[in-house]
Amino acid sequence: EAGVTQSPTHLIKTRGQQVTLRCSPISGHTSVYWYQQALGLGLQFLLWYDEGEERNRGNFPPRFSGRQFPNYSSELNVNALELEDSALYLCASSYFREGNTQYFGPGTRLTVL
Amino acid sequence: SQQGEEDPQALSIQEGENATMNCSYKTSINNLQWYRQNSGRGLVHLILIRSNEREKHSGRLRVTLDTSKKSSSLLITASRAADTASYFCATAGSARQLTFGSGTQLTVLP
Repeated sequence: EAGVTQSPTHLIKTRGQQVTLRCSPISGHTSVYWYQQALGLGLQFLLWYDEGEERNRGNFPPRFSGRQFPNYSSELNVNALELEDSALYLCASSYFREGNTQYFGPGTRLTVL
Repeated sequence: SQQGEEDPQALSIQEGENATMNCSYKTSINNLQWYRQNSGRGLVHLILIRSNEREKHSGRLRVTLDTSKKSSSLLITASRAADTASYFCATAGSARQLTFGSGTQLTVLP
């Protein structure tokens, strides 16, 4: 069974640009979570999507947004990039019957210059 | 924001020794999970312990949970060089997202 996949692996952008990150969950998982892991700040919860709806978001500005598609894949969009957005962005998926075990993808490394 | 702290921040041991990492958290939880991360890549789920459980084993891993002290520990027995990684505890409360600790960097020397 394929795990969670994310694309692209690496991305370099400049300040003010916009970026879209993509995530495909494990087959059968309906929930997708996005986390940011920035140097020195640890893993921070960004967004949670379930059944196509945004269920919760972390303490991030509105320029961080996303969506979940009918096939449960998800996009994370970041507008007006700032230098401090440089981080590893991790996507995870889960199936509610497994408690809250989340399965993570390999991440997208975003560098903002 | 981080739910809690992990202790120690870094741990270096010899192959074959046991490694113990501790995690403290602040709010009530439904379960606590431990993850491993190699070289800044994706996290791998290791073990989940529910709030009504006190101890759980999986292979060389032993996790304890003390909800009265809001703390957990992860013991890796007979460590191997391949266990070198960062280890994170994560708590799940009423909300579904996980809140992660600050992590312990474990180095196992051959």
